[in-house]
Amino acid sequence: DADVTQTPRNRITKTGKRIMLECSQTKGHDRMYWYRQDPGLGLQLIYYSFDVKDINKGEISDGYSVSRQAQAKFSLSLESAIPNQTALYFCATSRGGSNEQFFGPGTRLTVL
Amino acid sequence: DQQVKQNSPSLSVQEGRISILNCDYTNSMFDYFLWYKKYPAEGPTFLISISSIKDKNEDGRFTVFLNKSAKHLSLHIVPSQPGDSAVYFCAAKNSGAGSYQLTFGKGTKLSVIP
Repeated sequence: DADVTQTPRNRITKTGKRIMLECSQTKGHDRMYWYRQDPGLGLQLIYYSFDVKDINKGEISDGYSVSRQAQAKFSLSLESAIPNQTALYFCATSRGGSNEQFFGPGTRLTVL
Repeated sequence: DQQVKQNSPSLSVQEGRISILNCDYTNSMFDYFLWYKKYPAEGPTFLISISSIKDKNEDGRFTVFLNKSAKHLSLHIVPSQPGDSAVYFCAAKNSGAGSYQLTFGKGTKLSVIP
């Protein structure tokens, strides 16, 4: 089945460490997104990419960077992790012109 | 400022009865609305959507109603089943503004009691 996968699923790290979260998709979609979810809150958009050469900041991009290595791969990096970046991180994809986004299973990140 | 509000953090319903989940929005530019369902340890999955040119959309047991004048939408699940127990997120979109961003509510946790 065409899918959106995220690695790792769980990660515990220490303050100041560099962390990379990876997302791959086999749906053939051109658009990819990174969201963050904090307990009791909705999903907030960190970065989005419409194609390999197009990267855009979302509403909470400070402290994060991304890389679109290929149409199917979109990575999120925390250059120097801090405790308030502890959250659930979701990758999503969509086809251009479609309103529906498809989400990966999420990565639970804990920064100590 | 929260543009999409789900004011009920949780809802409990008996199996077989109707579940009604509510969502309010403040941005009058939103013209497309989606409901997502999320189980623990999984990503959100799309459930049903509605365009602002409609006031109702139905898909099996799920119906979404949109009241544009009140800036309110609701998701009805009839009949409710234990497998419907999950967190439901309302999301809204302004298709004219680059059509990329979904604005999510905080979610409502639905528990369907057997």
